Amino acid sequence: SQTIHQWPATLVQPVGSPLSLECTVEGTSNPNLYWYRQAAGRGLQLLFYSVGIGQISSEVPQNLSASRPQDRQFILSSKKLLLSDSGFYLCAWPRQLGELFFGEGSRLTVL
Amino acid sequence: GNSVTQMEGPVTLSEEAFLTINCTYTATGYPSLFWYVQYPGEGLQLLLKATKADDKGSNKGFEATYRKETTSFHLEKGSVQVSDSAVYFCASSSGYSTLTFGKGTMLLVSP
Repeated sequence: SQTIHQWPATLVQPVGSPLSLECTVEGTSNPNLYWYRQAAGRGLQLLFYSVGIGQISSEVPQNLSASRPQDRQFILSSKKLLLSDSGFYLCAWPRQLGELFFGEGSRLTVL
Repeated sequence: GNSVTQMEGPVTLSEEAFLTINCTYTATGYPSLFWYVQYPGEGLQLLLKATKADDKGSNKGFEATYRKETTSFHLEKGSVQVSDSAVYFCASSSGYSTLTFGKGTMLLVSP
């Protein structure tokens, strides 16, 4: 079966600290993968997408970066977190007919 | 580019009331349209979809019809339950095999 996992589920970090959020998919190969951020009152914003290992495209300029070290792994990172990085981060991959399959999400609070 | 506009919430209803959440879109071509639901603390789940004009998507008592003439995909349910309380996102397919989302509408159903 196809699954997508994110961790950690919840994270509280001080301003200026680094970040690493992981997303792993199972049951599919060569998937396109996406990172979305959901911030209060702002809906879902596409941050990065990747069509394969080492291939990352950024949708918006920001303090974050992404990497695709393995086919089924997508990592969201930051060297120094800002308060504005707080939010709910969702990893997703596309299934049939444009449908997106989402992970459980990682809630980041920057203090 | 594509955009999706949905009514702002929260929408507050009593159990068994009729629900409508409006959604309109702008897009080049003929996108597929989706409604996703997000229960508290969880990722997004596909609720229903429609891939061409006049298609009706339905699931769990929810319905939405793809109206090309009004560029709309309004979500309806005849009788809501407390368990329907969640955030609902309207989305349209766009480039990179991903989706453009509305800002989400929170639905609160009281007993």
